[in-house]
Amino acid sequence: ETGVTQSPTHLIKTRGQQVTLRCSSQSGHNTVSWYQQALGQGPQFIFQYYREEENGRGNFPPRFSGLQFPNYSSELNVNALELDDSALYLCASSLPLMNTEAFFGQGTRLTVV
Amino acid sequence: GIQVEQSPPDLILQEGANSTLRCNFSDSVNNLQWFHQNPWGQLINLFYIPSGTKQNGRLSATTVATERYSLLYISSSQTTDSGVYFCALASGNNRLAFGKGNQVVVIP
Repeated sequence: ETGVTQSPTHLIKTRGQQVTLRCSSQSGHNTVSWYQQALGQGPQFIFQYYREEENGRGNFPPRFSGLQFPNYSSELNVNALELDDSALYLCASSLPLMNTEAFFGQGTRLTVV
Repeated sequence: GIQVEQSPPDLILQEGANSTLRCNFSDSVNNLQWFHQNPWGQLINLFYIPSGTKQNGRLSATTVATERYSLLYISSSQTTDSGVYFCALASGNNRLAFGKGNQVVVIP
């Protein structure tokens, strides 16, 4: 068991709506990263949070935003949902150093209809 | 950004067979991990291996950082080894870049 937990596990939303996904990091890990995995593809880096600040962002539009809380848990918010946002969203936690192992949660499967 | 190529993309094995999955990458790395994605989508950590060789039961991995590749060996494959294997790595930060994966099917 990795200790990284995500909620909810599944979600169905309508195009144009907003969604919030949640992640609790593994004990002692203060860095949280979010990834999007489309069907049949490898996960793509969305952004990373460290000490409650965004610490790097992938090629995703501003309607993808996030938060990190003092207990290191994190939220991913997506506004104005599009059909192409349907994917598995994965959260990973790690220590902030470069040479450290990342551990993933079980993911949230988002379907936009 | 760093490029990650995994081969072969698809592999069908008879139970008991051995196999090798390969990951080529385009830049020097400070983090390289192998994952097995289960049918429910969770990424299971197999190895953290930016360099060298490690073994864990029937699985082993080798990374030759100077030649920019990593190999994952599966010996005496079992049906539970089926799934998608991902190589993921980072260069200069801890933001992982993933390959497209190796889809492995082990048939009894």
